[in-house]
Amino acid sequence: TQLLEQSPQFLSIQEGENLTVYCNSSSVFSSLQWYRQEPGEGPVLLVTVVTGGEVKKLKRLTFQFGDARKDSSLHITAAQPGDTGLYLCAGAVSGNTPLVFGKGTRLSVIA
Amino acid sequence: GAVVSQHPSRVICKSGTSVKIECRSLDFQATTMFWYRQFPKQSLMLMATSNEGSKATYEQGVEKDKFLINHASLTLSTLTVTSAHPEDSSFYICSARDRYYEQYFGPGTRLTVT
Repeated sequence: TQLLEQSPQFLSIQEGENLTVYCNSSSVFSSLQWYRQEPGEGPVLLVTVVTGGEVKKLKRLTFQFGDARKDSSLHITAAQPGDTGLYLCAGAVSGNTPLVFGKGTRLSVIA
Repeated sequence: GAVVSQHPSRVICKSGTSVKIECRSLDFQATTMFWYRQFPKQSLMLMATSNEGSKATYEQGVEKDKFLINHASLTLSTLTVTSAHPEDSSFYICSARDRYYEQYFGPGTRLTVT
């Protein structure tokens, strides 16, 4: 399985601050997905990016796929306590291969 | 969005017994389903890939005789943990891939072996 390096692993910020989570690999991915997971629940898909350089926005969340399709970032603007959770990036080398996950970023937004 | 269900959500069993976990895609057909395991405060680790009508493909280090996977239909895959031991206690999550190659995850099953 290919390795996805996700950073930071832990992040604690104040409400209203901005933050960026990074996901990097030496491998090229056909698609990369971002998930959010609450304790005791399964991951919930936030976004899928497939084109190099692609940028997608979901309210205050901005997702970017690197030009070479080896890296991605998640930027949250004006974080809120409701954003607290585990954020996971996951990539597939091809359409037939399973998703492999980064180690996750545990975000805590303090009111 | 696509919905994947898992049953049971929680199970407690005694050491040496077997436990079956079901994974269903509710509103789409999934020729491929995946089983992941997640330890506390860690990410998801792929255990096996389950293809409808054929044998599952297991990741390195996962015992296929201990974790039996059956994918009998396009909407159902099962994972049976045989002769469970306390070290098998974990959060098991399945996912199903739709025809657009997007993976959707179930809510997970918390297994506790006493």
